[in-house]
Amino acid sequence: DTGVSQDPRHKITKRGQNVTFRCDPISEHNRLYWYRQTLGQGPEFLTYFQNEAQLEKSRLLSDRFSAERPKGSFSTLEIQRTEQGDSAMYLCASSHRDRAPYGYTFGSGTRLTVV
Amino acid sequence: AQTVTQSQPEMSVQEAETVTLSCTYDTSENNYYLFWYKQPPSRQMILVIRQEAYKQQNATENRFSVNFQKAAKSFSLKISDSQLGDTAMYFCAFMMYSGGGADGLTFGKGTHLIIQP
Repeated sequence: DTGVSQDPRHKITKRGQNVTFRCDPISEHNRLYWYRQTLGQGPEFLTYFQNEAQLEKSRLLSDRFSAERPKGSFSTLEIQRTEQGDSAMYLCASSHRDRAPYGYTFGSGTRLTVV
Repeated sequence: AQTVTQSQPEMSVQEAETVTLSCTYDTSENNYYLFWYKQPPSRQMILVIRQEAYKQQNATENRFSVNFQKAAKSFSLKISDSQLGDTAMYFCAFMMYSGGGADGLTFGKGTHLIIQP
């Protein structure tokens, strides 16, 4: 098991373009979380999945953001019509439902720069 | 909603010294968990230590220990015999665990800890 993998590590895009990030959680983890971390801030919750069901979304997740987790395995986070304010580190984390209080395993993140 | 406050944006100590990072939180809940995460430069966030709110005994993990004061809603991290590899951002985080909910983490803004040789 190689932990939580995120791809790409870095993404530079022009304003108005669409971008998609991928997260591969630890295989036996049924919960998957997306967080956004801007410079000088702690991570902020965006959304989470239990298996393939998206059960909660933060108000931070505008209509331009969409996340999926088909078949309860990997997840994708898409941002449409990117804005400069979307520049941030996007972190994925996973846990098992019964072990959530023991903390998550985080990926290394995808750093998005919108120019 | 829960909030987590870390009042020290940056701290710097000499190698082998002991350092304490502060964290306070605000919640009306009684059953929750607290965490300290470490985020080295350009590397993934890793769990340092966790504390269950219902336990009075402070958690310890090798050189890392916490001072959990539930009534004061305080959760500080003590690092003993600090090492160069401890240089990182440290985040305090809160989780309200219901067993069926999101169990999302609420993070503080972080403390940048620098260990000087």
